[in-house]
Amino acid sequence: QLQLQESGPGLVKPSETLSLTCTVSGGSVSSSTYYWGWIRQAPGKGLEWVGSLFYARNTYYNPSLNSRVSISVDTSKNQFSLKLTSVTAADTAVYSCATSRLGNYYLEYWGQGTLVTVSS
Amino acid sequence: QSALTQPRSVSGSPGQSVTISCTGTSSDVGNYNYVSWYQQHPGKAPKLIIYDVIKRPSGVPDRFSGSKSGNTASLTISGLQAEDEADYYCFSYAGSYTWVFGGGTKLTVL
Repeated sequence: QLQLQESGPGLVKPSETLSLTCTVSGGSVSSSTYYWGWIRQAPGKGLEWVGSLFYARNTYYNPSLNSRVSISVDTSKNQFSLKLTSVTAADTAVYSCATSRLGNYYLEYWGQGTLVTVSS
Repeated sequence: QSALTQPRSVSGSPGQSVTISCTGTSSDVGNYNYVSWYQQHPGKAPKLIIYDVIKRPSGVPDRFSGSKSGNTASLTISGLQAEDEADYYCFSYAGSYTWVFGGGTKLTVL
């Protein structure tokens, strides 16, 4: 069974870049079996789909974040990453990575999530 | 791409049934049979309870059921139990490899 674990700084300054990593165990990020994604949840708010990565190279993003977000993969470390530029307090959230088998249109496995606070 | 519309809260007594609606548009909920539902307890990761509108993952009680009519999907929980008290989110494919969540519904078991 796949397991996902998020990691990265818990505090980011406004206007800087948020960078998080999701380490995958029980599967390969370079496989053609799964696709990978990021979701966030602001304090007291609902879930928001951030973006997804297919075949280690095809990326799709939430239109509301499109110009600031990027997802990439590091196959040597079996990780995929999220970068969000020019952050503001509105980007404070628990960020979770998730995955599912290709062909599935839902999120089957989730990480526990990591809180990122944007503050000076 | 707007969030799907869910009631902010619903409630029911143990043993009763509750239904949570999830209203989207003809571009998401209405156009694809790819609505899933997640249960989230405080401080925990979301758990998949319904996928492809009506299907239940292994291990999810059959008290949980899903349906869809037009642009609105629904989650029904029958025989409410105390442990069902949680937040529930719908999630729909919206085409071109994009997805959208509902705003979430807090279920209170009275």
